[in-house]
Amino acid sequence: GQQLNQSPQSMFIQEGEDVSMNCTSSSIFNTWLWYKQDPGEGPVLLIALYKAGELTSNGRLTAQFGITRKDSFLNISASIPSDVGIYFCAGPGGGADGLTFGKGTHLIIQP
Amino acid sequence: GAGVSQSPRYKVAKRGQDVALRCDPISGHVSLFWYQQALGQGPEFLTYFQNEAQLDKSGLPSDRFFAERPEGSVSTLKIQRTQQEDSAVYLCASGFRPSTGGAFYEQYFGPGTRLTVT
Repeated sequence: GQQLNQSPQSMFIQEGEDVSMNCTSSSIFNTWLWYKQDPGEGPVLLIALYKAGELTSNGRLTAQFGITRKDSFLNISASIPSDVGIYFCAGPGGGADGLTFGKGTHLIIQP
Repeated sequence: GAGVSQSPRYKVAKRGQDVALRCDPISGHVSLFWYQQALGQGPEFLTYFQNEAQLDKSGLPSDRFFAERPEGSVSTLKIQRTQQEDSAVYLCASGFRPSTGGAFYEQYFGPGTRLTVT
């Protein structure tokens, strides 16, 4: 199936810093999604991207659909403690109809 | 409005027992998905329903796994003769788009059921 590689695996940052993470795929995607998962909860959809080059924001979060269609980026500006969690990129490729996910980027914020 | 709910939230089973995990999707969502999430990994697709029809079960790891959605709303994932390797979080997701295309992939997840097989 599709392979999604996320980097970095984990990030230790100070509160107020900006965060950047990315996701690459082994093949072309037509849709990219970014989810956040808190401990003991299911993933929560943050941003969905449908067009190469598209840049979409959701509050302090901004995601981009790479022009090669094989990568996507998520940025978080001015991080706050509640941004802590695991961020997953996802795209079509889980079976014929489901999503395939990366392994996640674990964000840890030091006050 | 109410999101996706799953029950039980935690389940401990002895090896060889059968378990049943329930998912209540968001009202009106025609698509329903089950995923398995191992510790430290992203969710992995198991199966997909459109209304009551199971259209894709390619991700089910063995014939011990069975899912149903008889009336097109609530779904149950059943695992027979549980094994230790079945220990994971089982996530249910629902979506409102019935066909492929961008928005089809906007899936909304429940909190999951953490299954531990001893």
